[in-house]
Amino acid sequence: ETGVTQTPRHLVMGMTNKKSLKCEQHLGHNAMYWYKQSAKKPLELMFVYNFKEQTENNSVPSRFSPECPNSSHLFLHLHTLQPEDSALYLCASSQDLPGNNQPQHFGDGTRLSIL
Amino acid sequence: DQQVKQNSPSLSVQEGRISILNCDYTNSMFDYFLWYKKYPAEGPTFLISISSIKDKNEDGRFTVFLNKSAKHLSLHIVPSQPGDSAVYFCAALGLRGSNSGYALNFGKGTSLLVTP
Repeated sequence: ETGVTQTPRHLVMGMTNKKSLKCEQHLGHNAMYWYKQSAKKPLELMFVYNFKEQTENNSVPSRFSPECPNSSHLFLHLHTLQPEDSALYLCASSQDLPGNNQPQHFGDGTRLSIL
Repeated sequence: DQQVKQNSPSLSVQEGRISILNCDYTNSMFDYFLWYKKYPAEGPTFLISISSIKDKNEDGRFTVFLNKSAKHLSLHIVPSQPGDSAVYFCAALGLRGSNSGYALNFGKGTSLLVTP
């Protein structure tokens, strides 16, 4: 079983739909992240959670709404998305916040397509 | 403005030879650097890291070199194997801003192809 699991792997949705991405980590980590990877762009940090509390919101539009019910689970709720939101969404976790020089462990991502 | 740059989008190397992947950064405050490897349809996998207090870190076939004065790091793979064919991302850890925490800043990646 992989350390960080993301579901679904692929998602196609219309601009008026509401859907959620799920991430679960089995590593006992305290920090979790959402990243966006668009074509030909580097990974962009979206949100950071530490011990269930949001510590970073990297100017992400409100149509993306994260939720972290516990240290092992992270959700990204999507509503009224735009075509430019089509991308690979990656979840990651680390033992503590990045300042402690620890690698982040990534899930396999959700490939999101907005019609 | 992109703070971590991987200027070679792709690299092709023969099996058994050395692969050298390069990465440049602009922020002198970065103090921890990582390389990730990504296969298609999978997430990035941590490969090797180096702290700014070192100039070299080795793990098996993988060695990362850091040149702080040049703000440059490189990943050497020796000998290269076909299974090493993947996209390699360079990342640097630094503060996002005066009121923000630390974050990883990623390059766009270099696609390595190791041919038999």
